[in-house]
Amino acid sequence: GAVVSQHPSRVICKSGTSVKIECRSLDFQATTMFWYRQFPKKSLMLMATSNEGSKATYEQGVEKDKFLINHASLTLSTLTVTSAHPEDSSFYICSASHRTANTGELFFGEGSRLTVL
Amino acid sequence: GIQVEQSPPDLILQEGANSTLRCNFSDSVNNLQWFHQNPWGQLINLFYIPSGTKQNGRLSATTVATERYSLLYISSSQTTDSGVYFCADAGKSTFGDGTTLTVKP
Repeated sequence: GAVVSQHPSRVICKSGTSVKIECRSLDFQATTMFWYRQFPKKSLMLMATSNEGSKATYEQGVEKDKFLINHASLTLSTLTVTSAHPEDSSFYICSASHRTANTGELFFGEGSRLTVL
Repeated sequence: GIQVEQSPPDLILQEGANSTLRCNFSDSVNNLQWFHQNPWGQLINLFYIPSGTKQNGRLSATTVATERYSLLYISSSQTTDSGVYFCADAGKSTFGDGTTLTVKP
């Protein structure tokens, strides 16, 4: 149990286009989903926290208009990188916490590697 | 915010050796987790361990919440154990910088 699926795993796009990444909890309902960015050989950096049915809470320094987060249901959150540029190239990871267990334990998606040309 | 410090930053072992990874927190932590990030980037849950000791095969973890640290033990290491090990305050989604483990055959 507690499986989180992220899609796509890899995406290459042209500069100026928008890219959507999906994060789904497959066998549980997620109170909260989190989005991270990871640079090579670095730790995970929390970008934003999303709760179903409400606006995402962004960390300081993360552009809300650049990284659009939608948490439409208890099993799906999406991250849209708008007007992507080469500096947005990175590894993006989502995680979810279990609604009924409510322990705060995190379960991670496989990650999505974005390359902007 | 809370600071998470991991040590050592890098560790190289011969296959079969044992190791201990440490995680120190600057403040109390209620949702401590250990993860292994494999070479493909996938984060694998190892332990959710706010306190006490847990074991899973060759891995075990101990958290002493009152002293704000946690230890991850790897016994009889295998090459497949290579990767980056992170500890985190899952409740605050705050991660340490990781320990990069390389196990040589």
